[in-house]
Amino acid sequence: KAGVTQTPRYLIKTRGQQVTLSCSPISGHRSVSWYQQTPGQGLQFLFEYFSETQRNKGNFPGRFSGRQFSNSRSEMNVSTLELGDSALYLCASSLARLAGSSDTQYFGPGTRLTVL
Amino acid sequence: SQELEQSPQSLIVQEGKNLTINCTSSKTLYGLYWYKQKYGEGLIFLMMLQKGGEEKSHEKITAKLDEKKQQSSLHITASQPSHAGIYLCGADALSGGSNYKLTFGKGTLLTVNP
Repeated sequence: KAGVTQTPRYLIKTRGQQVTLSCSPISGHRSVSWYQQTPGQGLQFLFEYFSETQRNKGNFPGRFSGRQFSNSRSEMNVSTLELGDSALYLCASSLARLAGSSDTQYFGPGTRLTVL
Repeated sequence: SQELEQSPQSLIVQEGKNLTINCTSSKTLYGLYWYKQKYGEGLIFLMMLQKGGEEKSHEKITAKLDEKKQQSSLHITASQPSHAGIYLCGADALSGGSNYKLTFGKGTLLTVNP
């Protein structure tokens, strides 16, 4: 079974631009979560999508948004990029992340975003 | 909110030595996950623990969740250079009603010298 894939793997943008990152979950997985990883803050939760609906959200500004399609693929968008947005963006998929249960998340290789 | 503290922050061992990494939570753990990450890459799932006192092993790596479910340890026996990387513990935390979100510790950087 193919793992979680993310595209692109590397991206360089300038301040003020916007960027869209893509994530394809493991086949059959319906939940997709996004994380930002930086040396200073570590891994931080951005948001989670399940059945095309945002089910959970971390503490990030509204410049960070996402969506999920009917085939469970997800995209994340960052508008008006700032230098501090430079990070490794990881997505993870799981079967369902049902309320009240633990469900293992499997991570993709990440997208390295550099903002100049 | 739930916080996870990992210790040590970094560790350098000689090949063949045993080592332990700890993960302590400020709240009761409902699901504790261990992942390994090579620098700049994605996370590789190692193990998940749910029940107090639970212990799981995979090859030379053993993880335990204590009875009170607020601390977990990861033990590597006879370390090898392939064990080098960043080890992260993650825990499910209730967020907004009955949904869970995964929060992580800052990670432990393991270097294994041949």
